[in-house]
Amino acid sequence: KNEVEQSPQNLTAQEGEFITINCSYSVGISALHWLQQHPGGGIVSLFMLSSGKKKHGRLIATINIQEKHSSLHITASHPRDSAVYICAVKGNRDDKIIFGKGTRLHILP
Amino acid sequence: KAGVTQTPRYLIKTRGQQVTLSCSPISGHRSVSWYQQTPGQGLQFLFEYFSETQRNKGNFPGRFSGRQFSNSRSEMNVSTLELGDSALYLCASSLDADSSYNEQFFGPGTRLTVL
Repeated sequence: KNEVEQSPQNLTAQEGEFITINCSYSVGISALHWLQQHPGGGIVSLFMLSSGKKKHGRLIATINIQEKHSSLHITASHPRDSAVYICAVKGNRDDKIIFGKGTRLHILP
Repeated sequence: KAGVTQTPRYLIKTRGQQVTLSCSPISGHRSVSWYQQTPGQGLQFLFEYFSETQRNKGNFPGRFSGRQFSNSRSEMNVSTLELGDSALYLCASSLDADSSYNEQFFGPGTRLTVL
C-alpha cells in the first residue's frame, strides 16, 4: 500500500461543477503540499499546509492531521483547471518526501 | 524575477553513458531540490541541497549524485545510464532550507531519454 493515496485517479466533470480531490497518508508529517501539473510537464505549487485550511481564488485546501487526510476543492471549475493534481507529504521522522500518484482532472466546456 | 531554469531541456543518451543536468534557482533562493518523474513511478524525490550541502536524499542508487555551487546553482549527475533512467528530471528552488515550510518553484524539467 502506498504511503500517500489519492482519489480519484481520474475525474471528468462539466464546467462549473464543484471538484474535490482527496489525499490520505499513513505517516506522520511536517507539511503537505498540493501541486498542479499541466500537459507539457510544468509544475506549480498550489498550497503548503500543516494545519487547517487555505484558500486561493477558487481553490481551497484543507487538512485533518488526526485523520491523516487532506482535500483540494475547486469551485466553479473551468476547462483551464484541467491538469494533474499531486499531493506530496514530508515525513516528520526522516524528512522523506513522498508523492501521491496524482489525480488527472478534465473539465469539459 | 526570472524563474527556475534547467538545461538542457531535452537529452538523448545511450546505456552506459553518463549525464549532467543543470539547474539555476530563482535569484535569492538558496535551496534546490531534484525530482524524477516517470509514467510508472510518478514523482520521486532525489535530493535537496542548501548552502552547498546535501540536506536530504531519496531512495536512489549511488549512480545518482548532485552538488550545489556557492551561487546556489545545482547540478545532478547520473552515471552508467540505464534504460529505466529515462524520465523527466525536475528541479525546484525555495528561499530557505526545509522545503516543508517554503513554497517551491519548479523549473520546466529536463527530459532524458536513454536508448
